[in-house]
Amino acid sequence: SAVISQKPSRDICQRGTSLTIQCQVDSQVTMMFWYRQQPGQSLTLIATANQGSEATYESGFVIDKFPISRPNLTFSTLTVSNMSPEDSSIYLCSVVVVGETQYFGPGTRLLVL
Amino acid sequence: GENVEQHPSTLSVQEGDSAVIKCTYSDSASNYFPWYKQELGKRPQLIIDIRSNVGEKKDQRIAVTLNKTAKHFSLHITETQPEDSAVYFCAASKTGTASKLTFGTGTRLQVTL
Repeated sequence: SAVISQKPSRDICQRGTSLTIQCQVDSQVTMMFWYRQQPGQSLTLIATANQGSEATYESGFVIDKFPISRPNLTFSTLTVSNMSPEDSSIYLCSVVVVGETQYFGPGTRLLVL
Repeated sequence: GENVEQHPSTLSVQEGDSAVIKCTYSDSASNYFPWYKQELGKRPQLIIDIRSNVGEKKDQRIAVTLNKTAKHFSLHITETQPEDSAVYFCAASKTGTASKLTFGTGTRLQVTL
């Protein structure tokens, strides 16, 4: 497996502002993903963070709202832009070290007022 | 795209009894099926997974079965304990989609004394 950390662990933000979430892994990984988990709901894939190139977004998610960077094989950021209360969720990064097994970071709890 | 349905949404069992959670998937090309356990306020943790070339896999009190023809797979927990109480998510992915997981809606398992 891999040790995955996320910063911040939680935040309270005002609507209209942006928040950048960091995901750091202790070893090089093949794949990194960003998920959203709305309160009491399942996990929904936002995008695949591609190293050195633009992220691949899932239907319903766009780069202007959720810009993603992945400058190297161990680090990625997700920005939630121009936030509204509907963006209140847990945001999780996940990684694939080898094969298909996917491990999740601890998540970032975001509350937008 | 892939659609994963999960039942039941809630399940209450007495300690020592067995629990079964069922999932169906829509894309016959899916070939990897992990199960995650998420305790309150924690990250999803992989507990077992199965690939489509295997019909059943067991790890101590946990087992997963896969029926490719019917496109469904199930999680079986025997001799349940209070610490098994959590939300369980099934997921599916297929080779060639870069490990992208589609999650079921989750099952809240409550093990009572």
